[in-house]
Order: sequence, then structure tokens, then C-alpha cells
Amino acid sequence: NAGVTQTPKFRVLKTGQSMTLLCAQDMNHEYMYWYRQDPGMGLRLIHYSVGEGTTAKGEVPDGYNVSRLKKQNFLLGLESAAPSQTSVYFCASSYSRGWQETQYFGPGTRLLVL
Amino acid sequence: RKEVEQDPGPFNVPEGATVAFNCTYSNSASQSFFWYRQDCRKEPKLLMSVYSSGNEDGRFTAQLNRASQYISLLIRDSKLSDSATYLCVVPRDNYGQNFVFGPGTRLSVLP
Repeated sequence: NAGVTQTPKFRVLKTGQSMTLLCAQDMNHEYMYWYRQDPGMGLRLIHYSVGEGTTAKGEVPDGYNVSRLKKQNFLLGLESAAPSQTSVYFCASSYSRGWQETQYFGPGTRLLVL
Repeated sequence: RKEVEQDPGPFNVPEGATVAFNCTYSNSASQSFFWYRQDCRKEPKLLMSVYSSGNEDGRFTAQLNRASQYISLLIRDSKLSDSATYLCVVPRDNYGQNFVFGPGTRLSVLP
């Protein structure tokens, strides 16, 4: 099992460019999450999904969109990147409702927006 | 009060020492809590879950004080490999769909 994988590992964008971050899990988990982590701050939830075809907003959703067309994949899109979106992005998944379940994290994507 | 607050650290302790971190939370309805460990430039990994008054796993003990709304993590006989940032995690809602991560407490265990 690869667990949770993220593509790409690192990316540099110019302001206004768009990109998609891909998260894939092979554990048949229902729940998937996208977080961003900034220095001195805890991980903040961007969007999450409780199953294939569903998505919901988290704490900091502005400027991001997501899609969960397949159970194993969760895509995070930036339509028009801004320097404030420079961050480390982590994807996570869990089998079911998170309050009893471990979240498994991917290795992260480091994004720099110039 | 912030949703989740942690001792900022860093905690610099010698090998073999006992160290404790605190985490306070604002949502009194929270039923479960987690400690995750994050190594430098790596992803967080679950260290321990806390559902009742506490949990123990080897050298690690987590204790929950619901009345005062804090969770503590105690590490006994610290190892060099324990050096990491420890994240306190609390559900934001009662459905387990949304979580609040604390900013983390950094621990350095020194030889």
C-alpha cells in the first residue's frame, strides 16, 4: 500500500497562474481532506469530502476549489494563484467519521507563488 | 479563548528527561482528542488518541481534564528520536468531519 500520495511535491507559480494538486489514497477511505500549513500556525482545513461526489468547505476555502470524482482521488485547484497561497499543502484521508478515526497524511506539496 | 492553544516551546531537554506539554481547547462538547507528531518537513502522524480520561502507550501518556478543558502529553525517558513538533487536534464539530489543529509544541531532545 502506498497510503496517501500527493503530486507534485514542489511547484513554483507566478501570480495569476492556475494549477491542480492531486491527492490519491489506496486505503478505500471515505473521508478526504485538504489542509494548508503556514509557519507558526496549525494546519488549517481548506475543503473536505465525506464521500465520492461530495465536497464541503473548511475553515479557509476562498481561492480554492476541489473535486472528488473518484473515491480514491481528491483534487485541489487554484484558479488564480496569489502570493498569500504560498504554503505547504497536505492531503489526508480517514476511513470514516474523523472523531474516532486516524487521519493519514500525504507527504505534502510545497507551493511558492511569486 | 482560541479553539486550540498549545505551549509554543521549544522545549530543549536532555536524553532521559521527562517532559510534559499542555493543550487547551474551547469546545466543551469535544468528545475525542488526538496528539500527532510531525518531524521537520514531514507530514503529521498519529501518536495517540484520547477518548476518556487518558491513554498510555509505552513512554507516552496523554491525560484529559474535561473540567478545565485541557489535554496533556507526558513523555518519559526522552530519546533523541522524540525530537519533533507535537500537534494537539480537537474536532471542531460533533460529526468528526472538521478538525482544529493546534500550532504545535516543538521538542528537542539533546544528547
